[in-house]
Amino acid sequence: NAGVTQTPKFRILKIGQSMTLQCTQDMNHNYMYWYRQDPGMGLKLIYYSVGAGITDKGEVPNGYNVSRSTTEDFPLRLELAAPSQTSVYFCASSLASGSETQYFGPGTRLLVL
Amino acid sequence: GESVGLHLPTLSVQEGDNSIINCAYSNSASDYFIWYKQESGKGPQFIIDIRSNMDKRQGQRVTVLLNKTVKHLSLQIAATQPGDSAVYFCAGGSYIPTFGRGTSLIVHP
Repeated sequence: NAGVTQTPKFRILKIGQSMTLQCTQDMNHNYMYWYRQDPGMGLKLIYYSVGAGITDKGEVPNGYNVSRSTTEDFPLRLELAAPSQTSVYFCASSLASGSETQYFGPGTRLLVL
Repeated sequence: GESVGLHLPTLSVQEGDNSIINCAYSNSASDYFIWYKQESGKGPQFIIDIRSNMDKRQGQRVTVLLNKTVKHLSLQIAATQPGDSAVYFCAGGSYIPTFGRGTSLIVHP
């Protein structure tokens, strides 16, 4: 199993540009999550999904959108990039509930200039 | 909601010593706690977890202690090695866990 994979690894965006961060897991996990991690800080939950077709907001959803059309994929969309969205983004998944071990991808480093 | 925080941003230890990383939480209803290790440039990796019906759980060289009375948990690493150098996060909650800020463990040879 590849686990949780994320693309791209690194991206530079100009203010106002849009992009999609890709996340795929091959463990047949129901729950998937997007976090952002700012320097020296913990992980802040952006969005999560409890299964295909179901998504919900986390702590910091503004400026982001998600979709979950399949169990495997959970892309994160930035519509109008802002410097405040400069961060490292982690995707994670867990098997059957939030109260289980989360498996994290390697992260996407995003710089908005 | 849950609030989870670590006591110290940085902990420096000598190789071979035992390390103790502490964490406090706010929500008494939290029933699941996890410790993650994050090495530089990587995503967090599961170390050990504990449920609220337990007060201690042991793994390989790691022990988690949970004190529900004072809403505190700790991660103990025995015989700390240079490979243990990383940022350690506690996370807790009853549905979607909340992550603390992290403690950077520095192991000196």
